[in-house]
Amino acid sequence: EAGVTQFPSHSVIEKGQTVTLRCDPISGHDNLYWYRRVMGKEIKFLLHFVKESKQDESGMPNNRFLAERTGGTYSTLKVQPAELEDSGVYFCASSLAGPGKDGYTFGSGTRLTVV
Amino acid sequence: AQSVTQLDSHVSVSEGTPVLLRCNYSSSYSPSLFWYVQHPNKGLQLLLKYTSAATLVKGINGFEAEFKKSETSFHLTKPSAHMSDAAEYFCVVSDPRAGSYQLTFGKGTKLSVIP
Repeated sequence: EAGVTQFPSHSVIEKGQTVTLRCDPISGHDNLYWYRRVMGKEIKFLLHFVKESKQDESGMPNNRFLAERTGGTYSTLKVQPAELEDSGVYFCASSLAGPGKDGYTFGSGTRLTVV
Repeated sequence: AQSVTQLDSHVSVSEGTPVLLRCNYSSSYSPSLFWYVQHPNKGLQLLLKYTSAATLVKGINGFEAEFKKSETSFHLTKPSAHMSDAAEYFCVVSDPRAGSYQLTFGKGTKLSVIP
């Protein structure tokens, strides 16, 4: 089966610009998650979709971040306007059930650099 | 609240010698525990998981971990290191019964394998 696909793999943008990251989960996985790792820090949870609904968005850092999952398939994470502290690696993951069953399948991540 | 402490940020071993990566966790409930690995420029790959069955868990590539509730530990071991094991390893905790599907990551341990 195809894994979780993220693109772009790398993005370099200037402060104040907008960037949109995309995640294609494993087909049939209703649960989709976004995580990120900023330089030198832990990987942190951002939000969780169940189909097209936001189940938990407690990790979203501020209102410059907007995540969508129209139709319950792929998801996008938009950062507008980007700030220097947004630089890091953004991971997407998907799962059929909760983490206690099979863990999550992660994508390779998008490395975002804001200059 | 749940948390994870990886006791070593870097571990260096010689090829063919044992590997020990240490992890302690904190959880209000009975958690699910995972180890993920990230090779350079790759995504996060699930190595193994503990979900309240056998306390000694075997994973891929010869790795295993033992859940010790009395010590709140979940250390990762491998009898003999291989060059291909050089990567960053993450200990992860989750408890959906706490009402969330969030994964909480440790800060990661970078494993170097010396020829």
